[in-house]
Amino acid sequence: AQKVTQAQTEISVVEKEDVTLDCVYETRDTTYYLFWYKQPPSGELVFLIRRNSFDEQNEISGRYSWNFQKSTSSFNFTITASQVVDSAVYFCALISNAGNMLTFGGGTRLMVKP
Amino acid sequence: DTAVSQTPKYLVTQMGNDKSIKCEQNLGHDTMYWYKQDSKKFLKIMFSYNNKELIINETVPNRFSPKSPDKAHLNLHINSLELGDSAVYFCASSQDTGATTDTQYFGPGTRLTVL
Repeated sequence: AQKVTQAQTEISVVEKEDVTLDCVYETRDTTYYLFWYKQPPSGELVFLIRRNSFDEQNEISGRYSWNFQKSTSSFNFTITASQVVDSAVYFCALISNAGNMLTFGGGTRLMVKP
Repeated sequence: DTAVSQTPKYLVTQMGNDKSIKCEQNLGHDTMYWYKQDSKKFLKIMFSYNNKELIINETVPNRFSPKSPDKAHLNLHINSLELGDSAVYFCASSQDTGATTDTQYFGPGTRLTVL
């Protein structure tokens, strides 16, 4: 069975603060893929990143960075110098080679105030 | 040049009615999905189709019937709508030629309200 936990249901920060969204996952499979999606107030789901279980290298894309640690089964997402446009619900998700379903965490609502 | 599109974006209807939501992808992907997002934002898969064949059916009531006329389309028909069907329904697609773990790209969602 697969499970994704996003313990932070809601985070509020002031613009320009850094913020980290936590994601902890459970799977028995050794080959799996982790994802982050963004759901802005307009409602669509936007793909941000995909990571496979054999690649623990951290990734940076502009103000976004991701920290994958197999030892703690975590795939955390950091936004540096947050902006109001970052306000959204962010979802972490997992799929494994053995399973065939993308399992989502409950989402973290990020509010960035000016 | 929309990748995954859904119509309608909003659907308001009475209990007991039958309604359909259409989904089309122009990415050339082999697999398409329907997800339901409830009022608490929880996302759960309902169905997936690979090349017009049903792959996943996640204990969804049989009032929900997906139909895939070709691999670029996956429509969702719902009979006898109930209040609990109110949600946002997302269509998605992924390449999945051989692998089932490719990135899924989502449509804009259809907000269904049953009165």
